[in-house]
Amino acid sequence: AQTVTQSQPEMSVQEAETVTLSCTYDTSESDYYLFWYKQPPSRQMILVIRQEAYKQQNATENRFSVNFQKAAKSFSLKISDSQLGDAAMYFCAYRSSYNAGNNRKLIWGLGTSLAVNP
Amino acid sequence: DTGVSQDPRHKITKRGQNVTFRCDPISEHNRLYWYRQTLGQGPEFLTYFQNEAQLEKSRLLSDRFSAERPKGSFSTLEIQRTEQGDSAMYLCASSSQGTDSPLHFGNGTRLTVT
Repeated sequence: AQTVTQSQPEMSVQEAETVTLSCTYDTSESDYYLFWYKQPPSRQMILVIRQEAYKQQNATENRFSVNFQKAAKSFSLKISDSQLGDAAMYFCAYRSSYNAGNNRKLIWGLGTSLAVNP
Repeated sequence: DTGVSQDPRHKITKRGQNVTFRCDPISEHNRLYWYRQTLGQGPEFLTYFQNEAQLEKSRLLSDRFSAERPKGSFSTLEIQRTEQGDSAMYLCASSSQGTDSPLHFGNGTRLTVT
């Protein structure tokens, strides 16, 4: 069974600085998707960035980028130029690429609470 | 795009009562998911619909839980004979058909069982 581990329950960063959130996962599959979701205090889970395992190039979305190390099964999120609005719970999630049966669900880490200090 | 909407936002009920939550997905999304999230935890998968068909149901979903999506649009999640352990945030998400289509979440319904 696949698992996702986020080893940092809490992180903090100064406004305008850069922070990296860690995520490791375990799977025997070769093709899958990885996601970072953000959940601010308002509760709505928002997709930040996603990565297809078959793509070697690291995904980037504006100030958010990932460091995807497939062999190491590592998927870290880098937030550059941190803003106060980035304060939230960040979840790493895994999904198999197979379309059949029960592989539609996401497998989640426990999350990292990010505080942004002014 | 009005997003995924869930109703109610909050529900307080006494142990033993039945509750029903509603989820309206993004209109063009044919896939709908229910998750449960407790404080300090990631979401736990409950069930998944493709159109009106319930394709998977987690073992977490005891016989007291039932979900429906009768016309392939909105969905309801009912919990019968609520227990204090049912207190959680219930999240609904939807996605389109593509294999890499991301989930779009609603704001959730927070259930408190007293």
